[in-house]
Amino acid sequence: DAGVTQSPTHLIKTRGQHVTLRCSPISGHKSVSWYQQVLGQGPQFIFQYYEKEERGRGNFPDRFSARQFPNYSSELNVNALLLGDSALYLCASRNPGRSYEQYFGPGTRLTVT
Amino acid sequence: AQRVTQPEKLLSVFKGAPVELKCNYSYSGSPELFWYVQYSRQRLQLLLRHISRESIKGFTADLNKGETSFHLKKPFAQEEDSAMYYCALSGRFGAGTRLTVKP
Repeated sequence: DAGVTQSPTHLIKTRGQHVTLRCSPISGHKSVSWYQQVLGQGPQFIFQYYEKEERGRGNFPDRFSARQFPNYSSELNVNALLLGDSALYLCASRNPGRSYEQYFGPGTRLTVT
Repeated sequence: AQRVTQPEKLLSVFKGAPVELKCNYSYSGSPELFWYVQYSRQRLQLLLRHISRESIKGFTADLNKGETSFHLKKPFAQEEDSAMYYCALSGRFGAGTRLTVKP
């Protein structure tokens, strides 16, 4: 298993555009969470999905949305991009039957200009 | 509300010295606490979970419910321990501590 994978690796967008980031969890993991990590800060929780349903949402505006597919992969969408959305976006998967330990992908580096 | 505080952004020690990375949490229920580590150019990875009471790479962490702390300790730091360390309460992360171990 390649672990959690994310695509793309890097992305440059212009203010006002929208972006879609993708994540594939570890095989057998049914829960996916998304985090935003700004330089110098810890990962900030955005969403958690389990069995295709939203199970948790962090303090992010409605411009941020996500979904999970039947194969448990997930997409994070951000509309009307702002300069402040520039960050590393991390995806983490876990098996809810085994505590809250999470396994992270390499992240997508989003730059908004 | 859940909150995780790591009071030190930077911590520098010499090789062979003991190291302690502090973590305090705020949670009204029964906490599930973790330490994650991120080495240079690598992805964030799980280091320790409190329920296992294990030692990984010489690191240990004890949950102190009275002081609401989950400090990470290692008696003899090695240069390869230099990394970012994050304390997490379930899925909520602290700001992290950058540990540098000098030769």
